Amino acid sequence: LAKTTQPISMDSYEGQEVNITCSHNNIATNDYITWYQQFPSQGPRFIIQGYKTKVTNEVASLFIPADRKSSTLSLPRVSLSDTAVYYCLVGASLYNTDKLIFGTGTRLQVFP
Amino acid sequence: DVKVTQSSRYLVKRTGEKVFLECVQDMDHENMFWYRQDPGLGLRLIYFSYDVKMKEKGDIPEGYSVSREKKERFSLILESASTNQTSMYLCASMGGRAGNEQFFGPGTRLTVL
Repeated sequence: LAKTTQPISMDSYEGQEVNITCSHNNIATNDYITWYQQFPSQGPRFIIQGYKTKVTNEVASLFIPADRKSSTLSLPRVSLSDTAVYYCLVGASLYNTDKLIFGTGTRLQVFP
Repeated sequence: DVKVTQSSRYLVKRTGEKVFLECVQDMDHENMFWYRQDPGLGLRLIYFSYDVKMKEKGDIPEGYSVSREKKERFSLILESASTNQTSMYLCASMGGRAGNEQFFGPGTRLTVL
């Protein structure tokens, strides 16, 4: 089974940059890396996806080193509304349902 | 925007009842999924479907069945509800630019008494 490892929880203050790292040592050549965000009592929501180097959108940046064995989700200048659970998935697709594993994610708490 | 809707946000049933959870998506996605989410266990895949009338077991299919009669609708069925099926149930469809982005519904919190 594909396996990812993330910190269980992180704390931050408003206005700070938050970096959440996910380890995925057995990533396959064709695997993409996808991050989801989940607020309480809601379903997860897609944030960002990447294959290598750096991807940026209006919400976050995703940094992937050359060996692709880890990835870092970067949230610039977090606010209280970024308090959520963040999940890292690797290679999830219909043809690799063993990789549809959300795990317990990283619980980010942002303080005022 | 993709929309995935679930028939109920909250549901209370009694042990032994047959329970239907409905999910509808409006993006013509072929692939749909049912998960349950429990504290400390993350999301666990129950069943998924890659086409009408097609279904595959996920990690924890025991005690559940599914139905996909139309492309937009994927139903989760608890034939005889038990207390250990009290959980948050999340439906998702898969699509997006890379084809592997999951879009989730708001969830149904089921309590079995």
